[in-house]
Amino acid sequence: DGGITQSPKYLFRKEGQNVTLSCEQNLNHDAMYWYRQDPGQGLRLIYYSQIVNDFQKGDIAEGYSVSREKKESFPLTVTSAQKNPTAFYLCASSPGRIYQETQYFGPGTRLLVL
Amino acid sequence: EDQVTQSPEALRLQEGESSSLNCSYTVSGLRGLFWYRQDPGKGPEFLFTLYSAGEEKEKERLKATLTKKESFLHITAPKPEDSATYLCAVQDNAGGTSYGKLTFGQGTILTVHP
Repeated sequence: DGGITQSPKYLFRKEGQNVTLSCEQNLNHDAMYWYRQDPGQGLRLIYYSQIVNDFQKGDIAEGYSVSREKKESFPLTVTSAQKNPTAFYLCASSPGRIYQETQYFGPGTRLLVL
Repeated sequence: EDQVTQSPEALRLQEGESSSLNCSYTVSGLRGLFWYRQDPGKGPEFLFTLYSAGEEKEKERLKATLTKKESFLHITAPKPEDSATYLCAVQDNAGGTSYGKLTFGQGTILTVHP
């Protein structure tokens, strides 16, 4: 089955620790995205990538980093500089072509701070 | 700046009681309006994309419509399994043929009682 996988489902971070969230897709999509979801708020864009080896900051990129070395993979690192990391993190992908831009989401990773 | 406001924040219906959810938006130029369904602890599931005023799309008990200022998600004879948070998002065309940012509303929490 084609789809987007995220791991782990739950992740615990200690103070001062960097953690990496995995996102993989087998939909052959060019574009991939990371969003953060907090209770009662809309999804907010952290980073996006339209093509391999290229990515752009979204609205709330501070304290996060990404890489896009393979078309299928777009990992997100939450660094120690992110002071309020507790949230539900969602990865999405889209074909990346105009009028084929519907974004499809993975199951999410919930990050909690110890 | 693009803005999306969804109303009501929460809606409780009896099984079979039809109603509508509203998504009001402000965007410089609309490339597309998206509806998603999100179950607790899961990633959003794509429902519809609407591109121009007057367009309508249907799926089972759901029908989405679009005007120049708002979109409605009509739910006909809902069932308890329709209970979820419904998210609306708009994509602008400010980037020309490049990536158009997706702006999400905060969602409407729908509960359908048997």
